[in-house]
Amino acid sequence: GAVVSQHPSWVICKSGTSVKIECRSLDFQATTMFWYRQFPKQSLMLMATSNEGSKATYEQGVEKDKFLINHASLTLSTLTVTSAHPEDSSFYICSARDHLLAGRTDTQYFGPGTRLTVL
Amino acid sequence: QQQVKQSPQSLIVQKGGISIINCAYENTAFDYFPWYQQFPGKGPALLIAIRPDVSEKKEGRFTISFNKSAKQFSLHIMDSQPGDSATYFCAASKGSNYKLTFGKGTLLTVNP
Repeated sequence: GAVVSQHPSWVICKSGTSVKIECRSLDFQATTMFWYRQFPKQSLMLMATSNEGSKATYEQGVEKDKFLINHASLTLSTLTVTSAHPEDSSFYICSARDHLLAGRTDTQYFGPGTRLTVL
Repeated sequence: QQQVKQSPQSLIVQKGGISIINCAYENTAFDYFPWYQQFPGKGPALLIAIRPDVSEKKEGRFTISFNKSAKQFSLHIMDSQPGDSATYFCAASKGSNYKLTFGKGTLLTVNP
C-alpha cells in the first residue's frame, strides 16, 4: 500500500517548451502533496505544497508562474514547468500524505521522481 | 540558514559493521524526525521515524537515537550489508505544517 507514481519517469524537451509532470497516489487519497527538486548529489529542496481544491503554497524563491501546480483531485497533482530552460533540468519528486491518516501520522510517501532534461 | 545539519557527507563501512549517521537541528518546534533512504535515480523511501517524546526507536537493523536536549538524532544501521549502499537523508518537520526540511545527505558505501 501507500504507492505514489509519477509520469513521465524522464523527459527531454527543447528550451522554451512546457512540460507537465503528474503525481498520483494509487491506493490512498491525498489532500496534500509536496513537490521537491533535487539536483545531482544534492538534497531535496521543497518547491511547493499542493492542496486539493485550493492554490498551491510556494516556497520562497520559487517562481509560481514558472512552476504551475494543480491539485484537481484527491489522487492527482500536476507540476507544469513553463518555458523550460536548461537550468530547470533536475530531478523532480513529489510526495503525498494519506488523507485518512492525516491526524495520526506525518508519513509522507514519495514518488519515484521525474528526470527533466532541457536542451 | 541550514536548519538540519547532517554528517558525515560520506561513509564507508565493511559488511557486518555498524553505520552511524548524525543530524542536528536548530528549530525546537520540530516534532517529527524521519530518515529516508534513496537509491540513484529513485525517490526517497521512509526507513524509520521518531518523535521527541521517545529517546530511541528500533525497527529491524535500523535504530534512531534521539537527544532532545542536544537537539541531535542519529541513525544506526546494524550488520550493514552491501545492499544498504545508498544515500541517507535525515529530515524534520513541525506540527500540522508537515513540510519536511532535509539534511544534505550521507552517501553510504558498504564494502563486501
